[in-house]
Amino acid sequence: EADIYQTPRYLVIGTGKKITLECSQTMGHDKMYWYQQDPGMELHLIHYSYGVNSTEKGDLSSESTVSRIRTEHFPLTLESARPSHTSQYLCASSEDGQGIGSYNSPLHFGNGTRLTVT
Amino acid sequence: SQQGEEDPQALSIQEGENATMNCSYKTSINNLQWYRQNSGRGLVHLILIRSNEREKHSGRLRVTLDTSKKSSSLLITASRAADTASYFCATDNGGNEKLTFGTGTRLTIIP
Repeated sequence: EADIYQTPRYLVIGTGKKITLECSQTMGHDKMYWYQQDPGMELHLIHYSYGVNSTEKGDLSSESTVSRIRTEHFPLTLESARPSHTSQYLCASSEDGQGIGSYNSPLHFGNGTRLTVT
Repeated sequence: SQQGEEDPQALSIQEGENATMNCSYKTSINNLQWYRQNSGRGLVHLILIRSNEREKHSGRLRVTLDTSKKSSSLLITASRAADTASYFCATDNGGNEKLTFGTGTRLTIIP
């Protein structure tokens, strides 16, 4: 299994709270990603990063933000949680592929954070 | 709409039988990857097949790719209870910034 860690594993929080989902990897990968996945559904990319100080939005609109100050760390923040944010959030990383945007390298996933906003 | 769609959505077979899952996609690709997801966990990479490859093997897994039909199949031979999971295909068309995942096939192996 890959060395990529997400905390917390489960989070139940009230509407309006600010939350940060943590993701760390020890493989030295430059590329990191956040996916959102509802139960039994496909994954949707919400944020990605090519390396330190690089962040991009994915194809699913998200009210979350991310930062990449260190190679190994890619936290995701929701400033004001809402029930519509209830979902599973998966973090992943990969080695550089052949040029920016290439996904020739497989993704290594963490075990996810299951978020419930009440 | 998603790039990859798996078929069937759910599959239940007896332990020891072979399981076949299919993935269809819409646009040309650089490579196609298969992942496994156990319940409540992250995805685990199984196999990557490039657009110029037609078949690839890894242990009990066999993946085929037919770029003319824009489809791929994943065959798991001699299934085991531990193979119970959801299986996703993901495509890389090289032109955009994301790996696009399909909707998944939920495989249940009956002991």
